Amino acid sequence: GAGVSQSPRYKVAKRGQDVALRCDPISGHVSLFWYQQALGQGPEFLTYFQNEAQLDKSGLPSDRFFAERPEGSVSTLKIQRTQQEDSAVYLCASSRGGLEKLFFGSGTQLSVL
Amino acid sequence: DQQVKQNSPSLSVQEGRISILNCDYTNSMFDYFLWYKKYPAEGPTFLISISSIKDKNEDGRFTVFLNKSAKHLSLHIVPSQPGDSAVYFCAAATSGTYKYIFGTGTRLKVLA
Repeated sequence: GAGVSQSPRYKVAKRGQDVALRCDPISGHVSLFWYQQALGQGPEFLTYFQNEAQLDKSGLPSDRFFAERPEGSVSTLKIQRTQQEDSAVYLCASSRGGLEKLFFGSGTQLSVL
Repeated sequence: DQQVKQNSPSLSVQEGRISILNCDYTNSMFDYFLWYKKYPAEGPTFLISISSIKDKNEDGRFTVFLNKSAKHLSLHIVPSQPGDSAVYFCAAATSGTYKYIFGTGTRLKVLA
């Protein structure tokens, strides 16, 4: 596809449930980012991949959050034992690499009840 | 510790007039700045960027100004159009890194 694709668009989870969010970056983009955006806030950095290597996961809020990009393309963000404070929009972005502009997907809106 | 601040949560402007959105940063290592626009239920889309070697960058109706000594940048939209109504985020990064830090956004409403 031409842009960054994320699925699902909306996810409702019961507290304690595990969720998996998928990101298809733009083909050929080396860099992939996950951001979390709470209501009324700006996107906050979660983690960064360069190809399949996760070079920075300093923004992941807890060890319940896990991200992977095994073949350097599609990425999955997994949240285990979801809590209400995990409710947010999760944005995926990709770029050609380095300090290039980011192309964002439409996000997955996660609501934890 | 908010390194990038957008102190105006919202702004209303008449169609045809100038919109000025402001952004302040605290980290003097930042040397690359971007503005993104976001419509509801969509991801942010890139608008314009500027590196610290410049103090101005222009693209059509959009101009970004950078004042390094004040650690301040602004986005000017002239003339403003109703379709410009969106949330605008500024973001900053340091060369040689990859991590963009975003502000909290300013909601612009352009009145017809």
